[in-house]
Amino acid sequence: EAGVAQSPRYKIIEKRQSVAFWCNPISGHATLYWYQQILGQGPKLLIQFQNNGVVDDSQLPKDRFSAERLKGVDSTLKIQPAKLEDSAVYLCASSFEGSGRAFDEQYFGPGTRLTVT
Amino acid sequence: GEDVEQSLFLSVREGDSSVINCTYTDSSSTYLYWYKQEPGAGLQLLTYIFSNMDMKQDQRLTVLLNKKDKHLSLRIADTQTGDSAIYFCAESFFESNYQLIWGAGTKLIIKP
Repeated sequence: EAGVAQSPRYKIIEKRQSVAFWCNPISGHATLYWYQQILGQGPKLLIQFQNNGVVDDSQLPKDRFSAERLKGVDSTLKIQPAKLEDSAVYLCASSFEGSGRAFDEQYFGPGTRLTVT
Repeated sequence: GEDVEQSLFLSVREGDSSVINCTYTDSSSTYLYWYKQEPGAGLQLLTYIFSNMDMKQDQRLTVLLNKKDKHLSLRIADTQTGDSAIYFCAESFFESNYQLIWGAGTKLIIKP
């Protein structure tokens, strides 16, 4: 079974530029998560989708970050314009059920390392 | 508040046991997890325990839970060079809608 796919693996941009990340979850997984992981910290949840609906985006900086999962499968996370503090690894994860289920293992992709200069 | 704390580094000799510690917030219904992150790779779930358990063992891994002190530990027996990674403790509970609350990770360094 294929795992969670993410692209690109690395991206270097200048501040004020825009960038987009793509994620393809495990087939059949209803829930998709985007996390931001700053060096030396644990992951921080940015947004959680259940199928194509948003469950939680309370920690997404909506003035510059946006995410969509239009057909309930793959997802795109965009940053526009980027700031220096956005330098981080952006992780995508998926789970079979999610959304309030007591235990539902999350499977993580390899992440996209973003450097903003 | 919601807070999961772990020490940032642990150094052990190859062949010794590694013990990685974590403290967590209290909840009446909590799952506690250990994830492993190797360089350039995603997070991998190693094991998890529910808060009504004291211990869970899986091959070289032993998880111990002290509910009174809200303390969780991961013991890796016979530590190998392939165990070199960052280990994250995380919890989830009803009040957080079972979203994962993460520690900052403990980097396990293996000395030859």
